[in-house]
Amino acid sequence: DGGITQSPKYLFRKEGQNVTLSCEQNLNHDAMYWYRQDPGQGLRLIYYSQIVNDFQKGDIAEGYSVSREKKESFPLTVTSAQKNPTAFYLCASRNTGTGFSGELFFGEGSRLTVL
Amino acid sequence: AQSVAQPEDQVNVAEGNPLTVKCTYSVSGNPYLFWYVQYPNRGLQFLLKYITGDNLVKGSYGFEAEFNKSQTSFHLKKPSALVSDSALYFCAVRDMNTGFQKLVFGTGTRLLVSP
Repeated sequence: DGGITQSPKYLFRKEGQNVTLSCEQNLNHDAMYWYRQDPGQGLRLIYYSQIVNDFQKGDIAEGYSVSREKKESFPLTVTSAQKNPTAFYLCASRNTGTGFSGELFFGEGSRLTVL
Repeated sequence: AQSVAQPEDQVNVAEGNPLTVKCTYSVSGNPYLFWYVQYPNRGLQFLLKYITGDNLVKGSYGFEAEFNKSQTSFHLKKPSALVSDSALYFCAVRDMNTGFQKLVFGTGTRLLVSP
């Protein structure tokens, strides 16, 4: 079945360490997104990519980095510069061929806890 | 900027009763509106969307939503709630002001259906 796979599901990190969250999709979608979810704040956009080898900052990109070397992969690195990285991270993709009406498809999320 | 508001943090309803989860929007131009559901420690699942046409939109799991342009609302409804409907519900609107039409989410409403 097609879908989005995020790993790991749970991750613990010591302060000062960088961590990378994996996101892989086999939906053949061009666009991919990373959102951060905090209680009571909804989802906030970190980075997005509309095509391979191109990505743009979202609303809260500071302390994060991404790459898009393959269509199916969009890993997110949470760097030590991110002041408050403990959160639930969600990866999503979209079929840009549907124009404005296409919905996002989400992975199951990765919960990062900084110790 | 495009935005959505979910005025209720939590909605409580008894099983078998109708439920409504409220959402109002603020957009320039025609709105593209979405509802998602999230179960604990899971990703978001798409429920339904309004793009154009009939103001009553039917979606997954028996949910429907009513688009009301004069009240700028897009409330989620279900005629008879199930305990299994208990989850976190997000309203979202497509932000057409950015080059890639990002999705802007509300803060979420927790639905609790009691037996």
